[in-house]
Amino acid sequence: KNEVEQSPQNLTAQEGEFITINCSYSVGISALHWLQQHPGGGIVSLFMLSSGKKKHGRLIATINIQEKHSSLHITASHPRDSAVYICAVSLIIQGAQKLVFGQGTRLTINP
Amino acid sequence: KAGVTQTPRYLIKTRGQQVTLSCSPISGHRSVSWYQQTPGQGLQFLFEYFSETQRNKGNFPGRFSGRQFSNSRSEMNVSTLELGDSALYLCASSLGASGVLSTDTQYFGPGTRLTVL
Repeated sequence: KNEVEQSPQNLTAQEGEFITINCSYSVGISALHWLQQHPGGGIVSLFMLSSGKKKHGRLIATINIQEKHSSLHITASHPRDSAVYICAVSLIIQGAQKLVFGQGTRLTINP
Repeated sequence: KAGVTQTPRYLIKTRGQQVTLSCSPISGHRSVSWYQQTPGQGLQFLFEYFSETQRNKGNFPGRFSGRQFSNSRSEMNVSTLELGDSALYLCASSLGASGVLSTDTQYFGPGTRLTVL
């Protein structure tokens, strides 16, 4: 079982819709990251969370440490939001710090 | 400030060869981490270097190695290439003072796409 599970794997929506991508993890973490990867491979770090909620423009990320769950929301979605969104957790495995990634959510926003 | 740069961007090798990839971090960043991305396994952590020392390591065989120079530039080497090593190799830099990836924002390079024939 992966330490990090994302859902859904694929998501198609119409422009303007409210989008939610979920991330669940099974172990204690020191931080959770949301990343965006556009076609071509470039990755951008969107948020880093250890508690609570962060907002940047139309993007909102929340984390519930007790429930081991995080969500990424996109309001008023736009075709340029189409990308793969990846959740990653920073944790300690056998005394070493590591970043473990979810499998990603492929988001397609149609005009 | 210039972003993270990786060279080369594309590379084709044959099985059994070795390859060296280079990563130049953002100026002032002392931590460089390397990742492998494949369609089947997704993104996986390879290792992290900080101040010329390997600070953390993922679960990859010894064929994968790296080093970091005094100017924080890092190289990753893969020896005896296998078909399964075909992947996008990404590096990311951060200030790194708080330990790998725990509270520092990672800045990713564009990646090197390696194809092994």
